Formats: sequence, structure tokens, C-alpha cells
Amino acid sequence: GAVVSQHPSRVICKSGTSVKIECRSLDFQATTMFWYRQFPKQSLMLMATSNEGSKATYEQGVEKDKFLINHASLTLSTLTVTSAHPEDSSFYICSAAYSGNTIYFGEGSWLTVV
Amino acid sequence: AQSVTQPDIHITVSEGASLELRCNYSYGATPYLFWYVQSPGQGLQLLLKYFSGDTLVQGIKGFEAEFKRSQSSFNLRKPSVHWSDAAEYFCAVGGPNNAGNMLTFGGGTRLMVKP
Repeated sequence: GAVVSQHPSRVICKSGTSVKIECRSLDFQATTMFWYRQFPKQSLMLMATSNEGSKATYEQGVEKDKFLINHASLTLSTLTVTSAHPEDSSFYICSAAYSGNTIYFGEGSWLTVV
Repeated sequence: AQSVTQPDIHITVSEGASLELRCNYSYGATPYLFWYVQSPGQGLQLLLKYFSGDTLVQGIKGFEAEFKRSQSSFNLRKPSVHWSDAAEYFCAVGGPNNAGNMLTFGGGTRLMVKP
């Protein structure tokens, strides 16, 4: 069945460095993917909409220069956290819609910035 | 703007007891409604969804939810809770303008199950 996969599942990076998180749709094409962020014990907040072949659409308050999104193919969207700071530590999760409006989420990626 | 409220942050039930998790939404048109479950440190698993038609929706793991337009609610129910149901539950709303793909989530309800 349709599956969305994220990699890495956990990553630790030093403050000031950049880290890339991948979101792949397996066995189906996704022209649109979504990136969410979840802080500990909080709900998920939409960060941006990733559009294949065009610029991402960011939600209000999300810095597009800090959270770079690239949707290079119909099966891959990447989120790059640039110049990471400890406050960027969070659980990042992507989603993609499969045929029939069934939305699948990736397993999520835990980012810890030290 | 669309919004979702889950009034109960924590709920504790005994194993074998029935369960109802509340969800109220605000949306300007016919909503697409979802319930997801998240185990600690894990991603989200879709329990069920409502787009149209029968307002009582059956999902996986014995869960069901009922869409009540007059009350703007989409409560999740299960007749007999199992210890493995302990997790965080999220209600979410999307809309036909984006095929329901862009979701707004409620704050979540943490379910604890007593033996």
C-alpha cells in the first residue's frame, strides 16, 4: 500500500549547522506534500506546503530562508533546517495525499540541536 | 479560518471500558475530518476519515466516529478499550478547497488506560 517514508528518523546536529530531512512517497506520486512541526507535548502545526516543480508555500510565521523546502521530484520533498539553533529542536513530520484523498504521514524525524 | 478543539487534554479509562474523545471544529464549508493516533516517538496513523455520506464512520482498531453537523463535532468512540490503545489522539480538519490535504490539528488528547 501507499507509504510515506522520512529519513533520518533521528538526527543530532551542532548549533549553526544545517540538516536535511527527506520525505519520500513510496509507490505513488505526490505533487503536493506538507511539512508539520510538533513541539513536545503539543499539537502539529503546518509549516509549509511543498509543491513539485515550484516554490513552497509557507505558513505565517515560518521563516522560508531558515526552513528550505525542495520538491525536486514527484516522490521526494526535502526540508533543510539552516543555521540550526536549539529552539529548532522538534519533531518534523511530512504528509502526502494518495489517491482518494487519503493522507499518509511519514514516521517523523526528531531533530535535536546541541 | 478553520480550527479544531479537543477539550480533553488527558483522559484515563479502565481497560474494557468504553471511550469517547471529543472533537469540535470550525470550518466555513463542508469539512473533511480525520482522527489520527500517535504512539510515543512515532508518526501518525490514520484511524478514520469523513468526507461525505454516512455520518457514522468506521475505522481501524474498532474505532468509530460520528459527524454531527449541527454540533460541529466529530467525536471518536470505541466500545471497549484495550491497553494498547494508550496513545495521543489527534482530530484534524481539512477542506475541499485543497482536497482536504492541508490539515489543521486539534491539540490532542492523551489517553491512558488503567489495567
